[in-house]
Amino acid sequence: QKEVEQDPGPLSVPEGAIVSLNCTYSNSAFQYFMWYRQYSRKGPELLMYTYSSGNKEDGRFTAQVDKSSKYISLFIRDSQPSDSATYLCAMTTGGGNKLTFGTGTQLKVEL
Amino acid sequence: GAVVSQHPSWVICKSGTSVKIECRSLDFQATTMFWYRQFPKQSLMLMATSNEGSKATYEQGVEKDKFLINHASLTLSTLTVTSAHPEDSSFYICSARDLGGANTGELFFGEGSRLTVL
Repeated sequence: QKEVEQDPGPLSVPEGAIVSLNCTYSNSAFQYFMWYRQYSRKGPELLMYTYSSGNKEDGRFTAQVDKSSKYISLFIRDSQPSDSATYLCAMTTGGGNKLTFGTGTQLKVEL
Repeated sequence: GAVVSQHPSWVICKSGTSVKIECRSLDFQATTMFWYRQFPKQSLMLMATSNEGSKATYEQGVEKDKFLINHASLTLSTLTVTSAHPEDSSFYICSARDLGGANTGELFFGEGSRLTVL
């Protein structure tokens, strides 16, 4: 079993839809959770960063962490074609430790 | 967010030659930088952790003599792929953690370097 599981997609939605992206994990020691967006042939771009459980909102993006269920989510409201990319979840046990990535979910927002 | 720059963004080389990729943190200092490798439609695979002033720490299965890492300063780490072969063709991405902020694990990535070995 992988430490972090993420549905690879692809996920195709119409413009304006609400998108829900999810990851599950097995290591209860993970404390810091991140979502990265990666466009084709580019490096990952940090979108959201969350410590421990709870919600965090930034514009059209909301990140949720449920440590009791070992489950994290990223919601994208009013999705746009420019949101089409691969979204990677990542997590770590502490600031100095390496990140563990999900496989990434490919999202396509269609006009 | 913090800026990490990689160079070159794309390189093509002949089999048997060596290629150097640079990773720079432009607006912050980083004692630790990370090198990842990514194959098409796959996630990032950590290759090694680059430590300023000391030897890099390699992940299991990564050949340290093939992938030479040097972290010469707090803003520069280099990855040299020695005697490159076609199977080394991949997307190499570096990342760094901002020392100046809270030690929270937040990582910033470079744009990546695409290596094609003929």
